[in-house]
Order: sequence, then C-alpha cells, then structure tokens
Amino acid sequence: GEDVEQSLFLSVREGDSSVINCTYTDSSSTYLYWYKQEPGAGLQLLTYIFSNMDMKQDQRLTVLLNKKDKHLSLRIADTQTGDSAIYFCAESKNSGYSTLTFGKGTMLLVSP
Amino acid sequence: DTAVSQTPKYLVTQMGNDKSIKCEQNLGHDTMYWYKQDSKKFLKIMFSYNNKELIINETVPNRFSPKSPDKAHLNLHINSLELGDSAVYFCASGTGVGNTIYFGEGSWLTVV
Repeated sequence: GEDVEQSLFLSVREGDSSVINCTYTDSSSTYLYWYKQEPGAGLQLLTYIFSNMDMKQDQRLTVLLNKKDKHLSLRIADTQTGDSAIYFCAESKNSGYSTLTFGKGTMLLVSP
Repeated sequence: DTAVSQTPKYLVTQMGNDKSIKCEQNLGHDTMYWYKQDSKKFLKIMFSYNNKELIINETVPNRFSPKSPDKAHLNLHINSLELGDSAVYFCASGTGVGNTIYFGEGSWLTVV
C-alpha cells in the first residue's frame, strides 16, 4: 500500500468542524506535516508535529497524533469557505537529509 | 519578501524543446529540493541538494538536470520535453535534517 494515505474528499458546512485523517506506515517517521494547497496556488505549511507529541494546537487548527496506530488528524474548528483547499499530510524522517513523503491530498469543500 | 521564489510561474512549450525553471530561496537554508506534482495532484520528490551537492536523485529521467550554482539557488533544466513532463514543479528549501520544508508557488509546465 501507499506510505501515506488520506481520504480524498470531505464536504462540510461553514461553521462546522472539519476533521481530515491520515495514516502512515513508517514507524521511524519523525515529523508529520499538514500542507494546504488552494486552487492554482503553491503549498502552504499549516502546521507540523514531532513524533514524540500527541497533540498540537494552533488557533483553529488541532493536530492529533496516535503513534501506536500511525494515525494523524487535522481538525479545523469553525470552518470557513476560505478553508476550501486540498490538504496534504506528509512525513519525514530525522535521518540524513530528510525529504517529505506526501499523501494524495484531501479536498475540503466548505459550503455556505 | 518571498521566501522561496521560482520562475516562470507558467510555461507552455512544444515537445522536443529545452526549458529551465529557476529557484531562489532567501531563508539561509542549506537544503533545496525539486518536487513534481502530477495531474492527480500527487507530489513526489525529484532531487535534493545540500550546500550545492546532490543528495537525492529519485528515478528521474536524465533529461532532467538540476544545477545549484550556490546554496541559495537550485535550477531545473529539462531537455527534449515530452508530453508526460506536463506537471507543476515545486521548488522547496529546508535546513536539512528533521526540519520544516517551505515551498515555492510552483511552476505550471504544459508541453504541447
């Protein structure tokens, strides 16, 4: 299977919470990231979490990491239409010169 | 100031041509990358350079030749362009080991 897997699509209503899930296979992953890509735009680093943490909160964003199950989630509180984008989960390892392995992205559609 | 900048943003060219995409970062990072995003939005590492030295070269055709004149620049030259080269090419930079990686805005290459 793929190294990093995500569901492909999520639709929510404005004001609701969104939860985007990701699973990864490599237990040596050290950092896990969430990137956002708006249509026709580049990749914006939203947040990241080190593998010895289980939660990180940054304003409307909450990242939860279950290292035992190799499961990462991104919760967006009070989702806005401007949050509509593709969200990529990625992992890297703390060995050598780390590169990112990406999931295929989750398209989040927020309706008014 | 843009942290990672790449030019051109859009490039339409004919099959068989040779083209270059330039990338510059002003973050003082030692490591730079080229990633390719295909039509299905899948992102994959192509090359990684650290202090002008090639570190990672994934299975990329040798028509693709990265060049790093200094650690702030990593250019991508593509010879004999093929239809399948149409994609978005992202330049990125980071500090190297266990780090956050910042992306440019992408270069949309269309080969006709």
